Amino acid sequence: QKEVEQNSGPLSVPEGAIASLNCTYSDRGSQSFFWYRQYSGKSPELIMFIYSNGDKEDGRFTAQLNKASQYVSLLIRDSQPSDSATYLCAVLRSGTYKYIFGTGTRLKVLA
Amino acid sequence: SAVISQKPSRDICQRGTSLTIQCQVDSQVTMMFWYRQQPGQSLTLIATANQGSEATYESGFVIDKFPISRPNLTFSTLTVSNMSPEDSSIYLCSATQQGTGDGYTFGSGTRLTVV
Repeated sequence: QKEVEQNSGPLSVPEGAIASLNCTYSDRGSQSFFWYRQYSGKSPELIMFIYSNGDKEDGRFTAQLNKASQYVSLLIRDSQPSDSATYLCAVLRSGTYKYIFGTGTRLKVLA
Repeated sequence: SAVISQKPSRDICQRGTSLTIQCQVDSQVTMMFWYRQQPGQSLTLIATANQGSEATYESGFVIDKFPISRPNLTFSTLTVSNMSPEDSSIYLCSATQQGTGDGYTFGSGTRLTVV
């Protein structure tokens, strides 16, 4: 089992819709979770981080964490074509400062 | 958050040669890491660059192939040694402050092609 798993996509949503991206992880001791956006040919940029169960909102983005079920998700409201990118889920391996990345989900927002 | 300058941005190298990639951070950071991202793949951690001591390598990566230096809290290098076409990849350095827990900053990446 991979430490961090994501559906590779592509996930296609129409402009203005909600995009829902999911991630599961295997390390029950993990406490910190991150979502990165990576445009083609660019390095990843941090969108959000979440530590506590529940929802965390930042503008059009909402991160959701459920530690009991070991999943974390990212919702993007009012999706825009500029949101088209690969979204990487990262989990801080317990007891370390090492981030383990999922394979990423490619999102396409259709104008 | 820190800003990382990484160079070179890209290079084409002959097999059997070595390439050294440099990362300079604009502020002192406690933690620096090196990742590899092969085409269409996610990021794989190569090693943790430890200031003043030997790097800590992940399974599948060895010092002879990927020697790393970190002489101070703002600078690190990764050398890809005795390159083969399988080393063609994007190499990324990243940095974070220990204890802040607010995520990595990444360098702009080095796109390496080995011919």
